[in-house]
Amino acid sequence: GENVEQHPSTLSVQEGDSAVIKCTYSDSASNYFPWYKQELGKRPQLIIDIRSNVGEKKDQRIAVTLNKTAKHFSLHITETQPEDSAVYFCAATSDYKLSFGAGTTVTVRA
Amino acid sequence: GAVVSQHPSWVICKSGTSVKIECRSLDFQATTMFWYRQFPKQSLMLMATSNEGSKATYEQGVEKDKFLINHASLTLSTLTVTSAHPEDSSFYICSAPRAAGGGYTFGSGTRLTVV
Repeated sequence: GENVEQHPSTLSVQEGDSAVIKCTYSDSASNYFPWYKQELGKRPQLIIDIRSNVGEKKDQRIAVTLNKTAKHFSLHITETQPEDSAVYFCAATSDYKLSFGAGTTVTVRA
Repeated sequence: GAVVSQHPSWVICKSGTSVKIECRSLDFQATTMFWYRQFPKQSLMLMATSNEGSKATYEQGVEKDKFLINHASLTLSTLTVTSAHPEDSSFYICSAPRAAGGGYTFGSGTRLTVV
């Protein structure tokens, strides 16, 4: 099955700075890579996703890059704001199953 | 569109009893439903995959006789935690793949506490 590794587990950034979270996956057949933001006790909320035929995607302050050869993908958040503080999960789809990384707790310091 | 309604949102039950969690697709037909469990400060771990009209497939280490899954219709999948114990206390959440546009839609989750 798919194995997704995510780093770092915690990330503290100054408001206005950038945050980067990195993930690797094991199954070369994986073709869909979403990123989720989850608040305590809530469902994961999709913030951005990328498919294997694309190398980069951007949506305002959020961007995701994918390197299929190296089997890793990254989330970039620029100009961080206090409301960006949350737990972020990367995920990868293999055979329709969505496997999640371990999560990154992001804290934005005012 | 593509909404999955999950109930109950929270439940407290006594040890040894069974609890049923329902996930309904409201505006689409969910032929497949994934069931996840999330312990505090941990990731979502896939427990099983239910397919309408066929037996569920369970991930390694998940007891199929303890976590009964039924997907009797295209809009309803249920997870029953049988003979619940305190260690089963967790956040259970369902997810269905979306046909249009891809991606997945999640239920709102069920917080199960076994006392």
